[in-house]
Amino acid sequence: SQQGEEDPQALSIQEGENATMNCSYKTSINNLQWYRQNSGRGLVHLILIRSNEREKHSGRLRVTLDTSKKSSSLLITASRAADTASYFCATFNTNAGKSTFGDGTTLTVKP
Amino acid sequence: DGGITQSPKYLFRKEGQNVTLSCEQNLNHDAMYWYRQDPGQGLRLIYYSQIVNDFQKGDIAEGYSVSREKKESFPLTVTSAQKNPTAFYLCASSITYDTDTQYFGPGTRLTVL
Repeated sequence: SQQGEEDPQALSIQEGENATMNCSYKTSINNLQWYRQNSGRGLVHLILIRSNEREKHSGRLRVTLDTSKKSSSLLITASRAADTASYFCATFNTNAGKSTFGDGTTLTVKP
Repeated sequence: DGGITQSPKYLFRKEGQNVTLSCEQNLNHDAMYWYRQDPGQGLRLIYYSQIVNDFQKGDIAEGYSVSREKKESFPLTVTSAQKNPTAFYLCASSITYDTDTQYFGPGTRLTVL
């Protein structure tokens, strides 16, 4: 299976609830990033967490990284209908010189 | 999407034809990338360029070709050798090849008729 696998594949919640998505990876990384993609559009960078960091916040986003378990989670608090999108994690390894993307989690926030 | 553009937004091709997708960036980034995205799936790397006049194959390069004659431009040609070219194509750039954050264009949806 590929590097950077998101879980769950799809998530549906009500507006105001929190949404949690997980990402697992297999090889060592320098950092891990989360991107957002609205339907039919390009990806937008949300947040980056480095391998020596455990938690990072940006507005309503909270990202954690556990390098011992090779996993990361993205928490979106107080979700809004506008948060409806697909969310991808991407792992970056300097030696490889490129990022590897997972298959994404499709989040639907119902108003 | 700011700073990196792709054209056209939609492209239709007959089987057996080559077609070229445009990607331009005005961010002064050294590195550029082409990804393919199939419905409900993630991004797969086709080709990437760390610097002008240089490029490397990604994970699914067969049936595709690229050039990087100018820093701001990285066109992708989908050749007739690509067996299943219908997909959403995304171009991205980053400051340098070892800079992690990528900036994406809006994408081109290619449909083979």
